Parts: sequence; C-alpha cells; structure tokens
Amino acid sequence: GDSVTQMEGPVTLSEEAFLTINCTYTATGYPSLFWYVQYPGEGLQLLLKATKADDKGSNKGFEATYRKETTSFHLEKGSVQVSDSAVYFCALSDASGGYQKVTFGIGTKLQVIP
Amino acid sequence: DARVTQTPRHKVTEMGQEVTMRCQPILGHNTVFWYRQTMMQGLELLAYFRNRAPLDDSGMPKDRFSAEMPDATLATLKIQPSEPRDSAVYFCASTGPLTGGNQPQHFGDGTRLSIL
Repeated sequence: GDSVTQMEGPVTLSEEAFLTINCTYTATGYPSLFWYVQYPGEGLQLLLKATKADDKGSNKGFEATYRKETTSFHLEKGSVQVSDSAVYFCALSDASGGYQKVTFGIGTKLQVIP
Repeated sequence: DARVTQTPRHKVTEMGQEVTMRCQPILGHNTVFWYRQTMMQGLELLAYFRNRAPLDDSGMPKDRFSAEMPDATLATLKIQPSEPRDSAVYFCASTGPLTGGNQPQHFGDGTRLSIL
C-alpha cells in the first residue's frame, strides 16, 4: 500500500536558519503530493502541492519539488521565522483505485527560536 | 475564505456517554473525511464520504462508532458508548467536486474530546 515517511522531530532552528524536512513516499499509482501545516489548536492547512514529476510547489517562502526518481518531496525554506513554528505533514493523494485515498506522514514539529 | 466548521470545539464527558460531533463542509464540497489525531498514532482516517455515501469506513471501530451525512451540509460522527481511549482530536475535512487525486483537503479546527 501507499506510505509516507518523514523525519521525526522536533526540529529546532534559530531564526533565519535554512530548513529542510525530508519526505519520501511509496505509491502504486501516480500520486499528487502535498505539504500541510498545523498551528497549535488548529486543523491542517494546505501549504503547497505538486501534481506531477518535476513540479515545484511553493508558498510563503517554502518550496518542495516532486522527485519521481528518488520518490521524494522534501520541504525547504531559506530563512525561517518564529511564526513558522508548527507541525508539518507530508501527504500523498492517489486516485488510481477509483476514489481519492490520502496518506499522511507522522508530522514533523518545527520550533524556531529567536 | 470558506471554512469547514466543526462543533463542539471541546467536549469533556464521562465514560459510557454518547458523543456526537458535527461537521459542516465547505458549500459545494461533496467529499468529507473524518480523522482522529493522537500523539501516539498521529492522524488516522476513520471514514470517508462522497456525495453523502460512505466509501470507506474501514478505519472506524464499528462496534461503537458511526458516521453519517444526513444532508450535504452536515456530517456527524457518533461514539456510543464512549471510552477513555477515544480521547483525541477529531478532524473533519472536505474537498471539492472535481475528481482526481490533486484536490487538497480543507480541514476544520477539530473537536478536542476528553473521556474521563
């Protein structure tokens, strides 16, 4: 079955540091890939997505590129802010079975300190 | 911005009581998901509806949990009887009417459930 593996946190960075959160996946079909962010006390929000190989999703300074050859979708940001502190979820969505099936990673908690 | 609305936001009750959680998906969205989030298990899919019909509820304990969509604007998740191990945050999410796997899910802010 489909699976998503992402690095376990917590990840602690100083403000303005470079961020990478690794995400790899296995899927039987041709999935779309997503990063969601969850702030304390809230639901998940879509951060960015990519629907086919070599697509780059970007939003709010975050980027991730769909790498089919390495089955990866790593999240990066060049300079993190305190306000980026949250839990980040990598996810894949596969409709090859006739309906949408979404698989989430375990989430990576990011803490940015001033 | 259109939002998924969940009620109640918090619920504390004693073991054995019935719990009902409600979700109003975004207007026009025809696919609704129920998830449970805990520290130990992360985010687990409980049930999944399209056009009000259940498509997948394999993640849901059938003996005590039930999920329904009485109409297009309301989804409910019931637990009867509730147990302490049901304590978690329950999320509802919805997606739009287009088919295909590239539709993102829109999440509500969750119901934080505590069973004493």
